[in-house]
Amino acid sequence: EIAMTQSPDTLSVSPGERVTLSCRASQSVTTNLAWYQQKPGQAPRLLIHGASTRATGVPARFSGGGSGTEFTLTISSLQSEDFAIYYCQHYNNWPPWTFGQGTKVEIK
Amino acid sequence: QVQLQESGPGLVKPSETLSLTCTVSGGAISSYYWTWIRQSPGKGLELIGYVYNRGRTEYNPSLKSRATISVDTSNNQFSLKLRSVSAADTAVYYCARARAWFDPWGQGTLVTVSS
Repeated sequence: EIAMTQSPDTLSVSPGERVTLSCRASQSVTTNLAWYQQKPGQAPRLLIHGASTRATGVPARFSGGGSGTEFTLTISSLQSEDFAIYYCQHYNNWPPWTFGQGTKVEIK
Repeated sequence: QVQLQESGPGLVKPSETLSLTCTVSGGAISSYYWTWIRQSPGKGLELIGYVYNRGRTEYNPSLKSRATISVDTSNNQFSLKLRSVSAADTAVYYCARARAWFDPWGQGTLVTVSS
């Protein structure tokens, strides 16, 4: 099973700041990686798949990068609605596809 | 657009079977893969398994063969049964459409295992 590790666990930032979240895989997942955003009481929402392809309707301030074992999710200018928990998920091989533990982005 | 809605009991007794149904609207269930995912404070997000191609299934080995996912194309629904539950199975259960990534998701339903 491929383990996904996200860092940091919590990020305290101010609105308007640029934010970069990291996700590391225990072995290569090529670009078979997705990012999700989860707000309290809601289901996760797909942001990025294929490591860098934004899902339909996702604002351009969200961008994904990386390949192999190191990935990033960048929010270019944090908006108030972006405070949430972010998860990465690989889908390189089965079984199973696994998620990272999440990074909480909170207001500084 | 495709929407999903979970339904089922919110309380299950230990050693019994958890049963949930996901109703899909806005799209045919015969296309795509369909999945169950759960989220608990202790284990985070965990993929349970998925169903595709008119009933073929794959499961997370961590569930130790306790899970069964089935599809009802006539009602555009798919279902989860999880046998021999314990407190460790207490979680919010989500259904989702799968293309290897998951989108969209249902709103989720909390299932508590307790006597």
